[in-house]
Amino acid sequence: SAVISQKPSRDICQRGTSLTIQCQVDSQVTMMFWYRQQPGQSLTLIATANQGSEATYESGFVIDKFPISRPNLTFSTLTVSNMSPEDSSIYLCSVWQDYNEQFFGPGTRLTVL
Amino acid sequence: SQQGEEDPQALSIQEGENATMNCSYKTSINNLQWYRQNSGRGLVHLILIRSNEREKHSGRLRVTLDTSKKSSSLLITASRAADTASYFCAWVGGSYIPTFGRGTSLIVHP
Repeated sequence: SAVISQKPSRDICQRGTSLTIQCQVDSQVTMMFWYRQQPGQSLTLIATANQGSEATYESGFVIDKFPISRPNLTFSTLTVSNMSPEDSSIYLCSVWQDYNEQFFGPGTRLTVL
Repeated sequence: SQQGEEDPQALSIQEGENATMNCSYKTSINNLQWYRQNSGRGLVHLILIRSNEREKHSGRLRVTLDTSKKSSSLLITASRAADTASYFCAWVGGSYIPTFGRGTSLIVHP
């Protein structure tokens, strides 16, 4: 199974600033996913990040707001730009092995004041 | 909505009792997975059941799948206080990207 780490684990940010979240995997994976989980809610997929190509964003999410990098097969970043209190959520990265089981990072808890 | 439904939304039981959570989805699937999340942390994969399977066991967990009704259930037997968590189902269709249900919050009282 893949082991995933995320940095930071939590942060409190001011409105209008940006935060970059890092996701590191202990093995090479083709597809990485970024999810948002708003307080008390389920997970919503933000985008799929494949190495060597542009991220694919889900409806309601745009690259200007959530730019994603995927420089290699073990690392990805998600930036939450120009933050507002509505962006307060847990952000989770995940990877997919063998088109079956998904493994999740521990999440980044973001609070925007 | 793309999301199905999970019920109940919240479940409170005593230690030793069984807990049953249900999940309904709307599309055809390749498999369905159940996850646990403790206190807003990352998700832990519990069990995967394929579309051609009807029942699967893992320790105290029992999952059933009825593709004709587009529903699944997760049974936790002999629950423990440590089982207190949120439980999510996620169904996987042709895109192989899971779609998550709304989750069930389980509280097991010691």
